[in-house]
Amino acid sequence: GNSVTQMEGPVTLSEEAFLTINCTYTATGYPSLFWYVQYPGEGLQLLLKATKADDKGSNKGFEATYRKETTSFHLEKGSVQVSDSAVYFCALSENYGQNFVFGPGTRLSVLP
Amino acid sequence: DAGVTQSPTHLIKTRGQQVTLRCSPKSGHDTVSWYQQALGQGPQFIFQYYEEEERQRGNFPDRFSGHQFPNYSSELNVNALLLGDSALYLCASSLGGQAAGYGYTFGSGTRLTVV
Repeated sequence: GNSVTQMEGPVTLSEEAFLTINCTYTATGYPSLFWYVQYPGEGLQLLLKATKADDKGSNKGFEATYRKETTSFHLEKGSVQVSDSAVYFCALSENYGQNFVFGPGTRLSVLP
Repeated sequence: DAGVTQSPTHLIKTRGQQVTLRCSPKSGHDTVSWYQQALGQGPQFIFQYYEEEERQRGNFPDRFSGHQFPNYSSELNVNALLLGDSALYLCASSLGGQAAGYGYTFGSGTRLTVV
């Protein structure tokens, strides 16, 4: 079956540091890939997505590139802020028609 | 434009009891999906409702059931509660029976604690 693996957290960084959160997936077909963010006490918000190989999703300074050869979708940001502290979830959806398979989440804490 | 509304926000139940959670989709949306998020884990898909029918189901036992009303709102029912049912239950709405890739809007969830 389909699955998503993320680097274990928590990840603690200083403000303006570079962020990478690794995500790899297993899928039987050709999935679309997503990053969602969950702030404390809130639901999930879509951060970015990519629907085919070599696509780059980007939003709010975050980026991720769909790498089919390595089955990866790593999240990066060049300079994190305290307000980026949240839990980040990598997810896939097979052919847009299936519901999400989420990874376990990675908690990010950014210190001033 | 109201987003997805879930009620109640928190709930405490005893093992063996039954619980009903409610969800009102975002204005203009007609499809509701439910997810269970255990503490420290990612959400897991329970089922999706469209046109008042269950369209897709994840790997959850029959103790988990649902309903969708003509106004598109939905209920999640869990019978014979177990301690392991303690989780944040998330509702997500979308349009036209389409699933995750076309764009979900998530609610803030109902935190269920089973004691």
